[in-house]
Formats: sequence, structure tokens, C-alpha cells
Amino acid sequence: DAGVTQSPTHLIKTRGQHVTLRCSPISGHKSVSWYQQVLGQGPQFIFQYYEKEERGRGNFPDRFSARQFPNYSSELNVNALLLGDSALYLCASSLASGSVEAFFGQGTRLTVV
Amino acid sequence: GEDVEQSLFLSVREGDSSVINCTYTDSSSTYLYWYKQEPGAGLQLLTYIFSNMDMKQDQRLTVLLNKKDKHLSLRIADTQTGDSAIYFCAESISNFGNEKLTFGTGTRLTIIP
Repeated sequence: DAGVTQSPTHLIKTRGQHVTLRCSPISGHKSVSWYQQVLGQGPQFIFQYYEKEERGRGNFPDRFSARQFPNYSSELNVNALLLGDSALYLCASSLASGSVEAFFGQGTRLTVV
Repeated sequence: GEDVEQSLFLSVREGDSSVINCTYTDSSSTYLYWYKQEPGAGLQLLTYIFSNMDMKQDQRLTVLLNKKDKHLSLRIADTQTGDSAIYFCAESISNFGNEKLTFGTGTRLTIIP
């Protein structure tokens, strides 16, 4: 079975642009969470979605938004990119809201120049 | 409040045991986790422990939890070169399980031949 897949693996954007990152959870998993990992730090929670509804939001500005589709895949959108948005963006999937185990994808490395 | 702390670096000789330590501040943590991150990769779930347990063993991995001192440790027996990575501890404080993980800054484990 495929694990959590994220696309693209790398991308470079210019300040002020918009970016969309994509995540497909493990087959059968209905919950998706997004994390930002700045170089040298641990991941920081951005959003959690379950059954297409937002179940949790971290301390990130409104420039960050996300959604979950009927097939449980998810998109993370970031508007008006800043240099400080450069990071590894990780998606995690779990079976349901309340599941103990979360499995992470390989991440999308975003560089803002 | 939520704060998870780890020492940044650990060097261990091949074949010895590695002990990675973590402290957390939120006494309402429900589950505590250890994740492994290899260079350029996402996070791999190694093991987790429920907050009312003291110890959990899984092959070469032993997790010890001292809830009174809010201290978590991961012992890796017979450390191998493939264990070189960054190890993150994380806590989940949601009543619904794994909706939000708070990560430490990570401990970089280096194996000395």
C-alpha cells in the first residue's frame, strides 16, 4: 500500500506569490493534518481536517488555508508568500479523528526567494 | 502551556545503547511519541506511549515515562549506523487523540564507528 504522498516534492516561489501543496492520505485514512518544519526546528501544527471539516488550527496567519476533498485528499494554500514561509511542509494522515497513530509523508520543500 | 524540550546532539559508539531524553510541560498530555527523521525525509513513527503507562518496549526500543517529572526517554539498544537521524519527541494533548502534536526541537544522533 502506498503511504502518504505529497506533491510537489520541491518548489521555489517568489515573495508575494501564492502556493498550493497537495497531500493524499493512506488509503482508508480520513484525517489529514498539516505541519510546517522550519530548518533546524521541530514541526509546527498548522491544520487538521477530518471528513472535510476543519478540526484544529495552529497559530498561523490567515494567509494559510486548507481544505479536504471527498476522497480525503487535502490541499494547503499559502497566499502572499514571505521569505519566512520557506520550510518543509509535512502532511500526516490518520485513520480517523481520535486515532493514536499519525503517519507522515516525505514533505514538500518550499523555498521563497 | 505546551513546551517540549530536547537536547540537540548525542553521539554514541556503534553497539552501545543510546538514550534520548525529552521533557514536556503540559500535564494533560494523553500520548507521547517518538519520531525519526532521516536527512531529506519525512517523519517515521517509531513508538508511542499512553500517559498512564511507565514503560513500553518494542524490539530494540524502550520508552520510559516519568509523569511526575514530565520526562520521557527513548533507549535504543545495540545502536547501529542506520540509527543516525534526528529524533523528535512529541505530545498529544487533545482529548480526541492525535489531532495536534507538539514536537520538540529534535535530537541529532550521531553514531561513532
